[in-house]
Amino acid sequence: SQQGEEDPQALSIQEGENATMNCSYKTSINNLQWYRQNSGRGLVHLILIRSNEREKHSGRLRVTLDTSKKSSSLLITASRAADTASYFCATDLGGSYIPTFGRGTSLIVHP
Amino acid sequence: NAGVTQTPKFRVLKTGQSMTLLCAQDMNHEYMYWYRQDPGMGLRLIHYSVGEGTTAKGEVPDGYNVSRLKKQNFLLGLESAAPSQTSVYFCASTPRQAMMYEQYFGPGTRLTVT
Repeated sequence: SQQGEEDPQALSIQEGENATMNCSYKTSINNLQWYRQNSGRGLVHLILIRSNEREKHSGRLRVTLDTSKKSSSLLITASRAADTASYFCATDLGGSYIPTFGRGTSLIVHP
Repeated sequence: NAGVTQTPKFRVLKTGQSMTLLCAQDMNHEYMYWYRQDPGMGLRLIHYSVGEGTTAKGEVPDGYNVSRLKKQNFLLGLESAAPSQTSVYFCASTPRQAMMYEQYFGPGTRLTVT
């Protein structure tokens, strides 16, 4: 079973707008990670956030984690056409360190 | 550094045929993983290895076998391919436990079983 579920499944925005996608999970976790996948490619790691952290930034990316709601969000600010990709969250089932991925959010950024 | 490489990139099999997918990493990582990715399903873990000579089952292990005879290589075998195994297969590696470190992914192998 998949632990993390991303929402929305698809997101279409204009260049320059912000993109927000969410990940909800079911059991306790140690860490949560976000990955990007360009079409036809492997996944690329974006950010790792630990269960005792609430927010992390990396360039135009901002990730929040709310363990009480079992949810995380990924915000991409000032989006670019090159941000067009699928975004996945990965969590570990019950703190097992075994990674499980959600179904992903497909982001399209129109130039 | 080549990172994580996968061989082959594409393969078409007939039902019942067997094949082996090779994953190689040059980062001296302890942990390696095999996933399959199907449309609308995200990635699902097939098998993983926490070190040379060790393997463990993931979420969807049936129909697959793996071996980790050398630290840098992780092989995924299909003994008798079925159409349900048509998928894109990704290999990944991490220095140690996956959720403590970022996973490095290979480019994928697209397998079609007819």
